[in-house]
Amino acid sequence: RKEVEQDPGPFNVPEGATVAFNCTYSNSASQSFFWYRQDCRKEPKLLMSVYSSGNEDGRFTAQLNRASQYISLLIRDSKLSDSATYLCVVTLLPSQGAQKLVFGQGTRLTINP
Amino acid sequence: EPEVTQTPSHQVTQMGQEVILRCVPISNHLYFYWYRQILGQKVEFLVSFYNNEISEKSEIFDDQFSVERPDGSNFTLKIRSTKLEDSAMYFCASSDGGLIFSGNTIYFGEGSWLTVV
Repeated sequence: RKEVEQDPGPFNVPEGATVAFNCTYSNSASQSFFWYRQDCRKEPKLLMSVYSSGNEDGRFTAQLNRASQYISLLIRDSKLSDSATYLCVVTLLPSQGAQKLVFGQGTRLTINP
Repeated sequence: EPEVTQTPSHQVTQMGQEVILRCVPISNHLYFYWYRQILGQKVEFLVSFYNNEISEKSEIFDDQFSVERPDGSNFTLKIRSTKLEDSAMYFCASSDGGLIFSGNTIYFGEGSWLTVV
C-alpha cells in the first residue's frame, strides 16, 4: 500500500467551480499534514497545513480525519491561477534526527476559462 | 522572503560521470535535505543532514550518493557515477528545526534538473 495515496486526476473544471481532493495515508503514526502546490517543473510550495479541527484559508478548506487516515482539500470559486498539481504530504517522526516529508503522487488540476 | 538557492538549474551529463549539485540553504537554518522527483513521479526523500552528519537517508541514497557541507554556507549532493535513472529534478530544502509543523516550515529551492545521457 502506498504511504500517501491521492485521487489520480486529472481534474478539469470550469472557472468558478468548487473542486475537492482526497488523500489517504497508511502510517497511523504520521505527525503533521499538509497540502502543497506544485507548478510544472517547479518546486513544491506549501499551500496550507491541515488540522483535525479543519482549517480555512480564503477559498481553501482543509480537513483531517485521523481515525480514517484521510485528508481533504476543498477549493471554492476556483481561479485560472489555481491550475497546478496538488500534493498531499505527511510527516513521520524518525527514530532520530529530522522529520521527512512523505509526498503523494499529486493530483493535477486544470481550471478552464 | 528567505530562499534556498540551487545551482546549476539544469545539467546534462554523460552516464558514468560525477555530478555535484550545490545548494545554499537559508542562513540560520540547521537542517538540510535533498529530495528528488523523476519526471511524472512523486517527490521522494533522499537524505537529511544535521550537525554535519547525515540524520536519515532513504533506500535511494546508496553508495553512489554523498552529501557534504564544505563550508558554512553550501550544502552539496554528489553522485559519483551517474546512471540514466538518476535523471530527475533534485530539490534542496532547509528548515530551522527538525520537526516539521505549521510553525516550522521547510523551504525548498527551485531545483536542479539533472539529465543523464
